[in-house]
Amino acid sequence: DAGVIQSPRHEVTEMGQEVTLRCKPISGHDYLFWYRQTMMRGLELLIYFNNNVPIDDSGMPEDRFSAKMPNASFSTLKIQPSEPRDSAVYFCASSQDRTYGYTFGSGTRLTVV
Amino acid sequence: AQSVAQPEDQVNVAEGNPLTVKCTYSVSGNPYLFWYVQYPNRGLQFLLKYITGDNLVKGSYGFEAEFNKSQTSFHLKKPSALVSDSALYFCAVREMGQNFVFGPGTRLSVLP
Repeated sequence: DAGVIQSPRHEVTEMGQEVTLRCKPISGHDYLFWYRQTMMRGLELLIYFNNNVPIDDSGMPEDRFSAKMPNASFSTLKIQPSEPRDSAVYFCASSQDRTYGYTFGSGTRLTVV
Repeated sequence: AQSVAQPEDQVNVAEGNPLTVKCTYSVSGNPYLFWYVQYPNRGLQFLLKYITGDNLVKGSYGFEAEFNKSQTSFHLKKPSALVSDSALYFCAVREMGQNFVFGPGTRLSVLP
């Protein structure tokens, strides 16, 4: 298995633009998680899905953030409009169930200028 | 509520010396405890976990961790550090039915 695949690896965008981050989880993993990592706040759970259904989005910072999982092999995290404070590394992770450890993707480094 | 603390932001050790990265946790029930490592520009990689059973858990790359229920700790150890072990280490805890809570991370620097 190729692991959790995220794209793009790096994204530089101007303030106000829409940004879409993509994630392909490991096949057979029923849970998918979106995390944000910053120096100031560490790893923050934004949202997670179980069987493609959003379960808890309480970590999503504000309405500018949205996430979807249209099928078991694809998820997106969208920021519209983007702001400089959204600059961070965004990780996607998947898991067979919450008892197991998570497998993380390599992350997307987002820079909003 | 579950929580995890890593009291040291940075740990420096000389190559060949033993290393310890500390982790303490707080849960109301039985904990599931994990260690992850993050190399520069990479995602987190699983190192080891404690679910139940033997308190001493062995993991990848020669790392091990000891679950100490009375001290609510799960310190990561390695008998002989390598320069290539230099990375950011995260402790994580969860209870049954809950998601993981990650610690703030400890940066390990192994000096040649």
